[in-house]
Amino acid sequence: QVQLVQSGTEVKKPGASVKVSCKSSGNTLSDFFFHWVRQAPGQGLEWMGGVNPKNGDTNYPQKFQGRVTMTRDTSINTAYMELSSLTSDDTAVYFCARDLMRWGQGTLVIVSS
Amino acid sequence: QSALSQPRSVFGSPGQSVTISCTGTSSDVGLSIYVSWYQQYPGKAPETLIYDATKRPSGVPDRFSGSKSGNTAFLTISGLQAEDEADYYCCAFAGRYTWVFGGGTKLTVL
Repeated sequence: QVQLVQSGTEVKKPGASVKVSCKSSGNTLSDFFFHWVRQAPGQGLEWMGGVNPKNGDTNYPQKFQGRVTMTRDTSINTAYMELSSLTSDDTAVYFCARDLMRWGQGTLVIVSS
Repeated sequence: QSALSQPRSVFGSPGQSVTISCTGTSSDVGLSIYVSWYQQYPGKAPETLIYDATKRPSGVPDRFSGSKSGNTAFLTISGLQAEDEADYYCCAFAGRYTWVFGGGTKLTVL
């Protein structure tokens, strides 16, 4: 049974960056498209982008371009999402999702001065 | 890239059927079969109910079914149970390795 285990809660100041990890068990990152999705308090799900398993290429919606970086380390089956220039609007739970089928448990990121 | 349109809330009584719609455009929902549905309880991660518009992952009860017509996808829950009270989201492939979610629908079991 594949599991995705994410890193723990982060508290950041405005303007800082945060890097969230997502470790996959069972299958390698090279076999599946890895997505990142966030959910602000009381809001819906928002697709932030993903990593193509074939070549590691990334795709981000325009909203996040220039501010988000998604990477992976296939040697340790771990995907990463780094978001920079944080504002209070980035306070949310961040999920990784393999092929948008199997989901991590979520990582709460709080941005507060 | 606009969010897909879902009703904010739907209601149903135990044993009844409810259908949740997810309306997009020819650039997302209407583009391919790649539409999925998720169930989410408060404070929990989403769980996949439907993928490829109509397929159920193993372990998902057959009370949950998906369909698609043109630019609109549907999730139908039959034999409604109290435990079905949750938020439901649709998601569609929007081309060029991009995806878009619906705004979510809160299902209340009366």
